[in-house]
Amino acid sequence: DQQVKQNSPSLSVQEGRISILNCDYTNSMFDYFLWYKKYPAEGPTFLISISSIKDKNEDGRFTVFLNKSAKHLSLHIVPSQPGDSAVYFCAARGGSEKLVFGKGTKLTVNP
Amino acid sequence: DVKVTQSSRYLVKRTGEKVFLECVQDMDHENMFWYRQDPGLGLRLIYFSYDVKMKEKGDIPEGYSVSREKKERFSLILESASTNQTSMYLCASSLSPGHPGGAGELFFGEGSRLTVL
Repeated sequence: DQQVKQNSPSLSVQEGRISILNCDYTNSMFDYFLWYKKYPAEGPTFLISISSIKDKNEDGRFTVFLNKSAKHLSLHIVPSQPGDSAVYFCAARGGSEKLVFGKGTKLTVNP
Repeated sequence: DVKVTQSSRYLVKRTGEKVFLECVQDMDHENMFWYRQDPGLGLRLIYFSYDVKMKEKGDIPEGYSVSREKKERFSLILESASTNQTSMYLCASSLSPGHPGGAGELFFGEGSRLTVL
C-alpha cells in the first residue's frame, strides 16, 4: 500500500511561471516531510522540508505547504527556471529514521 | 559538506555473479540506507542500518544482503545477481532526528547503475 502518493508522473510549465507539485499521504503518524530533486544519473538532493507543526516553509523560490487535515502537501516553485527540470520526490517520516518516498514527478520547464 | 561516495557509477554483471556495492560517508552519520530507483516505482528501501553491525530490512530485501563493519561504510551484496536487479542503486546517510545539527534528512550518493545480463 502506497503511503506517499504523487499522482502526477509529469508536469510541464513555461519558464517564469509557477510550478506546483503535489503529494498526498495516508499515514497520520508522519510528522516530517521532505522534497528531493533528482537529475538523471545523479543522486537525489535535499530541497526543502516541513515539520507537521507548521503549515508553510519557504526557501527562496521554493515553498512547501502542508495541509494536515487533507494529508496533502505541495511544493511551489516561483518563478520556474529551465534548470529546475528534474524529477521531484516527496518523502515522509514518522517515528523512525526511515523515509518513505513517493514515485516522483518529472518537471519540465520550457524556455 | 556531507560526502557520500559510492564505489562504482556503472557496473555490468552476468546472471549468477556475486555483486558488491560499496558506500562510504564522511560525516559520522549513524544511519545508512540502500535504495533502488526504477522508472515509475520511485525510491524503494532495500536495507538500512542505524549502527555498526546493525541492520534492518526495508521494503524489498529479497535477493540482497548488507554489511556494516565500520560506521562510515555500508555495503550492499547481491549474492546471485538476476536480471530483475538491473537498476539504479542509491546509498544515503543521515543523522538521527533530534540529533544536534540534523533533522534526519538523507544525503545521497551519486548512484550506481547496475546492469545484469
